[in-house]
Order: sequence, then C-alpha cells, then structure tokens
Amino acid sequence: TQLLEQSPQFLSIQEGENLTVYCNSSSVFSSLQWYRQEPGEGPVLLVTVVTGGEVKKLKRLTFQFGDARKDSSLHITAAQTGDTGLYLCAGEEYGNKLVFGAGTILRVKS
Amino acid sequence: KAGVTQTPRYLIKTRGQQVTLSCSPISGHRSVSWYQQTPGQGLQFLFEYFSETQRNKGNFPGRFSGRQFSNSRSEMNVSTLELGDSALYLCASSLKSSGLYEQYFGPGTRLTVT
Repeated sequence: TQLLEQSPQFLSIQEGENLTVYCNSSSVFSSLQWYRQEPGEGPVLLVTVVTGGEVKKLKRLTFQFGDARKDSSLHITAAQTGDTGLYLCAGEEYGNKLVFGAGTILRVKS
Repeated sequence: KAGVTQTPRYLIKTRGQQVTLSCSPISGHRSVSWYQQTPGQGLQFLFEYFSETQRNKGNFPGRFSGRQFSNSRSEMNVSTLELGDSALYLCASSLKSSGLYEQYFGPGTRLTVT
C-alpha cells in the first residue's frame, strides 16, 4: 500500500488569510481526490484530479495535481469560517482502492 | 437522489461482544467500502464489496468481516470487541465511471467499546 503524507497537520488562521495544504507521496496514483469532513459527519468529496499538472478551481479553492501524479496541493484564498474542517487527500491505487492521508485540521477564526 | 445511509448512528458495546453495522448505498452504486476512522490512525480501509463479492481488503484482523446483499446494501460485523475498536465507522459507495473511483460517504456509526 502506498503512503500519502499530508502537511501541515493543523492550521489555525484568521478569516481572510490564504493557505495551502500539501499531499505528497513517492508513488504514482491514477487519480487524487480531496475531501472535507466536518465533526460528526462523513467526508464530502470536493474534487478529483486525474491528469499530471491539472489545476481545478472550486470558487476560492484551487487544487493542483503534480506533473508526475505523486503530489497535490489545495490552496484556499481568503479563508472563511465556513472553511473550517478536516481536509483529507486520497490517492487512487490501481485496483479500486483509496489511500487516505492523515488529514489537515483547518480552523478559521473570525 | 438519497445519499448513503448508515445505521445505527451511535452504539455502545461492551468488550467481548459483537456488533453489526448497516449501510445502504446511493441508488445505482454497486461498490460499497468500509473505513475505520480514529484520531490516532486516521481513515483506514477495511474492505470493499462489489456485486456481493469482496473485491479488496485492508489490513485488519479476521474479527472484522462484511457482506453485501443483492440490493447492494452492506453490513459489517466485528466480533469479540476490543477497547481499541472504538472508532467512527464509515461506509462509502461508489459508481466507477470514466475511470474514476470517487467515494460518497455516509455519516458514519460512532462505536464506543467499554
């Protein structure tokens, strides 16, 4: 099983600030997904990136897949309190299996 | 379209007992996966079922088992519960299309073992 390292583990910022979360591996994934999880709920899929170098934007969130398909980043512009939650990256291994990173806990203070 | 549902939402069991958790996937989804989530280990893959067959399995002891029915509903069973089995158990369904394997999660079952 491949491993995904996420950083930072915890991020506490003020509303309006920008932030970036990283997801790294030494292995190649067929796709990489980002999820957001709120307390007491299951993770919710935000985006899937498939092609090396791909960039996807979802309002204030920008997702990038590394050229070699081994790493990804999530950038949030002008964070809002509603962005608070646990952000998880997950790499799709060949054979219908997802490997999850440990997650980044984001707290946005007003 | 209704999302993934899991029952029960909360469960308290005693060490040594066994427990069965249930999951109903999104209509039309034939793949159901189970995950264990704990603060220390994060989200860990238990197993995946597709068309009533276990297709993938994680690194968990044999006390953890599952099955899938013809209507794609799935159950997970844990026998001889241990304190360390306390966790949030998440079920996710998937409709693999266009080569993507995207998971849609239920709200989870919070299991506490005392």
